[in-house]
Amino acid sequence: DGGITQSPKYLFRKEGQNVTLSCEQNLNHDAMYWYRQDPGQGLRLIYYSQIVNDFQKGDIAEGYSVSREKKESFPLTVTSAQKNPTAFYLCATRTSGNEQFFGPGTRLTVL
Amino acid sequence: GESVGLHLPTLSVQEGDNSIINCAYSNSASDYFIWYKQESGKGPQFIIDIRSNMDKRQGQRVTVLLNKTVKHLSLQIAATQPGDSAVYFCAELTDSWGKLQFGAGTQVVVTP
Repeated sequence: DGGITQSPKYLFRKEGQNVTLSCEQNLNHDAMYWYRQDPGQGLRLIYYSQIVNDFQKGDIAEGYSVSREKKESFPLTVTSAQKNPTAFYLCATRTSGNEQFFGPGTRLTVL
Repeated sequence: GESVGLHLPTLSVQEGDNSIINCAYSNSASDYFIWYKQESGKGPQFIIDIRSNMDKRQGQRVTVLLNKTVKHLSLQIAATQPGDSAVYFCAELTDSWGKLQFGAGTQVVVTP
């Protein structure tokens, strides 16, 4: 997991609530990514950020929002508009050589 | 659309044997590929990468082979150990922003 921290490890949400997942890194990497993983499937890109104060939508951005106010932090908010939010969420950073390293993940469950 | 996929969803291998995990990709313009290992409940762990100007790259007990002619990627694990049991993903770099396209993954089960 290196210098990427995700919290909390487990998160429970009631339907209709927004929740924010934390991702912090001390690797001094400019680029950060959020992925969603569903059981038995690969990773799908939600949002990514190449630099502070800039971010782009990935393949499945609907129902999610992000901010990038600091280089070290890239929080993901799962809004009530996300109809099926139960999943494993992974944050990653990228080196200048395109290697992506992942955090330990947050498992979100909607009750 | 462009995609990265794996041939086998589950691979059972006896401890000490070699494992081979395969991956097909469809974007002939892709020039960078990564293999990841993911243990249950954890984030993917970088194993090895390869650029399109190479056919083979070796790491510690792992070798990645790239066949650009048939757009095929493989990961070989030598002397497979119980700790190698995990899901293995290949990923393909799809743009200059570092966006990766992941395959569905192969579950490797090491039996004693």
